[in-house]
Amino acid sequence: EIVLTQSPATLSLSPGEGATLSCRASQGVGNYVVWYQQKPGQAPRLLIFDASTRATGIPARFSGSGSGTDFTLTISSLEPEDFAVYYCQQRRDWPPLTFGGGTKVEIK
Amino acid sequence: QVQLVESGGGVVQPGGSLRLSCAASKFAFSAYGMHWVRQAPGKGLEWVAFIRSDGSIKYYADSVKGRVAISRDNSKNTLYLQMNSLRAEDTAVYYCAKDSGYYDASGSLNYWGQGSLVTVSS
Repeated sequence: EIVLTQSPATLSLSPGEGATLSCRASQGVGNYVVWYQQKPGQAPRLLIFDASTRATGIPARFSGSGSGTDFTLTISSLEPEDFAVYYCQQRRDWPPLTFGGGTKVEIK
Repeated sequence: QVQLVESGGGVVQPGGSLRLSCAASKFAFSAYGMHWVRQAPGKGLEWVAFIRSDGSIKYYADSVKGRVAISRDNSKNTLYLQMNSLRAEDTAVYYCAKDSGYYDASGSLNYWGQGSLVTVSS
């Protein structure tokens, strides 16, 4: 089973600042990484698939990069609605689909 | 816009059973694989099960294998999760989610329901 480790667990930032979230895989997953955003009391929402492709309707301030074992989700300038928990997930080798533990982006 | 609406959650005693349903609309349900993903209170996401568009292939997480059965009725646009021998650690919000792959599963989940809470407690 492929294990995904996200860091940091919590990121405290102010609106307007940039955010960099990391996801590391226990073995190579090519570019088969997906990013989701989850706000309190809501279902996850697809942000990025195949490491760097934004899903429909996702603002350009969200970008993804990486391949192999190291991946990054970048939010160029945080809007108030971006404060949430972000999960990475691999689809290279499944079942099982596996998720990282999440990074919470909170208001500083 | 794709809609997925779960139902069937509730409180059940340890060892009990429950069946979740997920009513799908506004997309060609029979052409897409479907997943169940759960989230224990205050915890992260855990994939539970997958079923192919035609129901011919099913996958399960080791944590639920042998106790859970995923199924679908394409004539009713509905996904199911039958859960038996429930344990306290099965307590979670259960989400149904649509696979983005057209007929072929991709493992990327592009739409999610709002979730159904299952609480296993005596």
